[in-house]
Amino acid sequence: DSGVTQTPKHLITATGQRVTLRCSPRSGDLSVYWYQQSLDQGLQFLIQYYNGEERAKGNILERFSAQQFPDLHSELNLSSLELGDSALYFCASSVQTSGRATQYFGPGTRLLVL
Amino acid sequence: QQQVKQSPQSLIVQKGGISIINCAYENTAFDYFPWYQQFPGKGPALLIAIRPDVSEKKEGRFTISFNKSAKQFSLHIMDSQPGDSATYFCAARGSGNTPLVFGKGTRLSVIA
Repeated sequence: DSGVTQTPKHLITATGQRVTLRCSPRSGDLSVYWYQQSLDQGLQFLIQYYNGEERAKGNILERFSAQQFPDLHSELNLSSLELGDSALYFCASSVQTSGRATQYFGPGTRLLVL
Repeated sequence: QQQVKQSPQSLIVQKGGISIINCAYENTAFDYFPWYQQFPGKGPALLIAIRPDVSEKKEGRFTISFNKSAKQFSLHIMDSQPGDSATYFCAARGSGNTPLVFGKGTRLSVIA
């Protein structure tokens, strides 16, 4: 158990809908990362937050957004869902140190868009 | 543009054998190279990591070999066991707390 929790574990929805994925980082970790894992693309970095502020952005679509709250949990919002958004979404957290921050991954949310 | 290339995509090894997975990177600013292990239905978990100031790091049956001039690094699993069957990802990251760039993964099957 990494100490990172994600809810829900599974999500089935329809095209055009909007969903919210939730992540609680390990106690004390200030950084939260979101990744998308699909069969053909592997693990793709989406976005990073540190202590409530956006820190880095990767291949995140404009239909997707995220935020980190004062209690450090984070939410990833996916809107106008398309079939191709079906994937595993992982959250990871780390304590920010000078380049030695190990990222701990949560169990993921499996999203299926029908 | 894929910054970390991983091979092979899949690997079948006999129990007790050596599993070898290779990765190559392009960005010379990368200075941290972890390997993650992922079992079905689980998130990736850090297995072992290396920095470019050493050429090899060993932890139990797992060894990373690093070749800075060739911009390549590899994972060796000695005495491979069925319990090692999982997907392995190499990754790389620049200095500071920048995001990891992952390879596409290798599915390892260790058969008895």
